[in-house]
Amino acid sequence: AQTVTQSQPEMSVQEAETVTLSCTYDTSENNYYLFWYKQPPSRQMILVIRQEAYKQQNATENRFSVNFQKAAKSFSLKISDSQLGDTAMYFCAFMTLLSGNTPLVFGKGTRLSVIA
Amino acid sequence: DTEVTQTPKHLVMGMTNKKSLKCEQHMGHRAMYWYKQKAKKPPELMFVYSYEKLSINESVPSRFSPECPNSSLLNLHLHALQPEDSALYLCASSQEAVSWGAPSNEQFFGPGTRLTVL
Repeated sequence: AQTVTQSQPEMSVQEAETVTLSCTYDTSENNYYLFWYKQPPSRQMILVIRQEAYKQQNATENRFSVNFQKAAKSFSLKISDSQLGDTAMYFCAFMTLLSGNTPLVFGKGTRLSVIA
Repeated sequence: DTEVTQTPKHLVMGMTNKKSLKCEQHMGHRAMYWYKQKAKKPPELMFVYSYEKLSINESVPSRFSPECPNSSLLNLHLHALQPEDSALYLCASSQEAVSWGAPSNEQFFGPGTRLTVL
């Protein structure tokens, strides 16, 4: 069975600074997807960034980038130039690709607070 | 249209009531999901529908009954719930993940229904 571990329950960062959220996972699969989802307080969960395991290049989306280390089974999220709107719960998630659809496996989440 | 909608936003019900949660998407997705989320916890998968057929039931009690009338709609029928069932219920949808490099196999989430059982 796959597991996802987020070892930082809570983090805070000053506005405009950079912060890195950690995520490790355990799987015996070779092909899979990794995601970071953001859930602001009382708001909808949205996808921040995704990474295909077969791609060596780290994914980037504007101020968000990942450090994907497949051998170490690590998938950290870096947020640059943090903004107040980045305050949210961040979930790391894993998905294999089997026949048909497969559900997401979520980590327990990291609550990020951006401080003015 | 890249939106998943859920109604109602809030629901308060007694333990003897029968109610339904609704979810709708018009992205042509053929996989739809129900999750339960407690405060400060990750979503927990309840059910997965694939091409309108139930493909995964994560040992959910029978007081929760899912239904997928067509490819755009997903319902969750509630009956004889317990106070511990109070939570945020999230619906999500995705394309069928049939091959690597598929343009979008991510799950799109709705805003959720916040359920309180008295």
